[in-house]
Amino acid sequence: RKEVEQDPGPFNVPEGATVAFNCTYSNSASQSFFWYRQDCRKEPKLLMSVYSSGNEDGRFTAQLNRASQYISLLINSKLSDSATYLCVVNIDYGGSQGNLIFGKGTKLSVKP
Amino acid sequence: DADVTQTPRNRITKTGKRIMLECSQTKGHDRMYWYRQDPGLGLRLIYYSFDVKDINKGEISDGYSVSRQAQAKFSLSLESAIPNQTALYFCATSDLSRGISTDTQYFGPGTRLTVL
Repeated sequence: RKEVEQDPGPFNVPEGATVAFNCTYSNSASQSFFWYRQDCRKEPKLLMSVYSSGNEDGRFTAQLNRASQYISLLINSKLSDSATYLCVVNIDYGGSQGNLIFGKGTKLSVKP
Repeated sequence: DADVTQTPRNRITKTGKRIMLECSQTKGHDRMYWYRQDPGLGLRLIYYSFDVKDINKGEISDGYSVSRQAQAKFSLSLESAIPNQTALYFCATSDLSRGISTDTQYFGPGTRLTVL
């Protein structure tokens, strides 16, 4: 089983639509969860951390279900949200504490 | 100025050549990382360093070596480049001094390496 799995997409949505990205992770001891955004040929940048109680940041809502080892990201989309979204989970064992495992990313394309 | 810089930004080289990619950071972070990214494979960890005297292999270290010259500098070397090392390489930093919950990583702009 892959450590972090995401639907690769692409998701093609009209502007204003709410799109949901899902992610599952295999390491039940993981403690930190993130969504990163990556534009084409650019570096990944932190979009938001994901907290146990769920959290919002403007048009972005992240949710975590530890029992199911499942993370989600909802976006009330704008044109500028077109990018690839990476689900990221930390490794929490041995000397690798703090290292991160990146999903392969879900591509979003928002159309006018 | 960017907090994490990488040089060169683009490099084309030939099989068998030795290549060094450099990374510098002004964030004052202890931890530094080298990743490669290939289409369809996502980011994969090559090496990481928790401080100047600590170097660790990542998932795909074969064919690579690193040097942590100072807290702010972490270089990646390909001793004898081969075509399947053609990829986008990212350096990243993080700061665990405040505990594991703040292990956000900050990435440099990347180096696009082509090995012919």
